[in-house]
Amino acid sequence: QVQLVESGGGLVKPGGSLRLSCAASGFTFSDYYMSWIRQAPGKGLEWVSYISSSGSTIYYADSVKGRFTISRDNAKNSLYLQMNSLRAEDTAVYYCASSTGLDYWGQGTLVTVSS
Amino acid sequence: DVVMTQSPLSLPVTLGQPASISCRSSQSLVYSDGNTYLNWFQQRPGQSPRRLIYKVSNRDSGVPDRFSGSGSGTDFTLKISRVEAEDVGVYYCMQGTHWLGTFGQGTKVEIK
Repeated sequence: QVQLVESGGGLVKPGGSLRLSCAASGFTFSDYYMSWIRQAPGKGLEWVSYISSSGSTIYYADSVKGRFTISRDNAKNSLYLQMNSLRAEDTAVYYCASSTGLDYWGQGTLVTVSS
Repeated sequence: DVVMTQSPLSLPVTLGQPASISCRSSQSLVYSDGNTYLNWFQQRPGQSPRRLIYKVSNRDSGVPDRFSGSGSGTDFTLKISRVEAEDVGVYYCMQGTHWLGTFGQGTKVEIK
């Protein structure tokens, strides 16, 4: 069955960096677009970024453009999100999700940006 | 950006009774390929979101048939024919026609 497992979250100071990972299994990862979605505490869902199956097409939300970088390693069935210059408003649970239709989601990893 | 507006934001429902959630987009969601990329998600308390409906009216595998989606253009609806206790949670519509996709604010369904 499809499994998406995020890791790498934690507490970081404003201006700091974190790298999130998402390990995929149960499907042919290299065939699928992948996305990062986030949810601030008690708030709704925000699409952060997505990457095409080959990595050639990438989109970012305006709120993270220039600070976050999405990437993937199809040989390792893994998706990444490098987050730099973190701000308090980036505090959220970050989910990875498969395909442009978001048919499968991971359990999420919590990122807290606070001094 | 395409703005997705859901109503109501809170929906108290009696067990066994129907429920309906509206979702309106600020632009047409019909893509150039003729498809309409409007999905519905359920997020139960403490859980990750789960997709229920894709492309307006297609139920995902394992989704009970009491859930149905309809609509076209800019107006869409999620209906639950008879609410069960396990349906408690927040429901989101999402458009994937105009990139980057956007979500509605969410509708909280609770039992009266």
